[in-house]
Amino acid sequence: SAVISQKPSRDICQRGTSLTIQCQVDSQVTMMFWYRQQPGQSLTLIATANQGSEATYESGFVIDKFPISRPNLTFSTLTVSNMSPEDSSIYLCSVEVQGTNTEAFFGQGTRLTVV
Amino acid sequence: TQLLEQSPQFLSIQEGENLTVYCNSSSVFSSLQWYRQEPGEGPVLLVTVVTGGEVKKLKRLTFQFGDARKDSSLHITAAQPGDTGLYLCAGKRSGGSNYKLTFGKGTLLTVNP
Repeated sequence: SAVISQKPSRDICQRGTSLTIQCQVDSQVTMMFWYRQQPGQSLTLIATANQGSEATYESGFVIDKFPISRPNLTFSTLTVSNMSPEDSSIYLCSVEVQGTNTEAFFGQGTRLTVV
Repeated sequence: TQLLEQSPQFLSIQEGENLTVYCNSSSVFSSLQWYRQEPGEGPVLLVTVVTGGEVKKLKRLTFQFGDARKDSSLHITAAQPGDTGLYLCAGKRSGGSNYKLTFGKGTLLTVNP
């Protein structure tokens, strides 16, 4: 298993500002994933963060809006830039642990409200 | 187009009732996982199924993976208020970019006392 600490757990931000979300894992992992979950909805993958290379973004998400850092194998950040109310959502980081089956573990999420 | 179709989207039942949630796709998955998410928390893994036809039981929860590995179901017997939450199925497709999980839209279950 993996224990993931994500912070902040929630924030209320003014439009036009940026927020950086941190994700710390208790073990070294190759890939970390950032998801967005809008109210009452499922998870949408934003990007995959690999240590030592640029993040891979999914369709509809761009680096200028969601820059990601991955300085080492246990830590990553996601920045939501130039926020608008449409960015209000829950942002989740996730890692996968290789075992008998590959299993995904999630942080508790960051609930972002943009006003 | 949603790769994993999950139904029903909402379900409100009384304590003690049984229920089944379905997760269907036209694609083959190498594995499929079920998660439960409570408000203010991230999803928590309940089970992973990998073999076609596989059935796994977790107390009152029974998970089944279709023979063709394209669909799965979650059955809860004698539901309790503590079962309330968002249930998500997620799968890894066979071949291609199989390191990524694809999530269904989720089933929001409310069990009333």
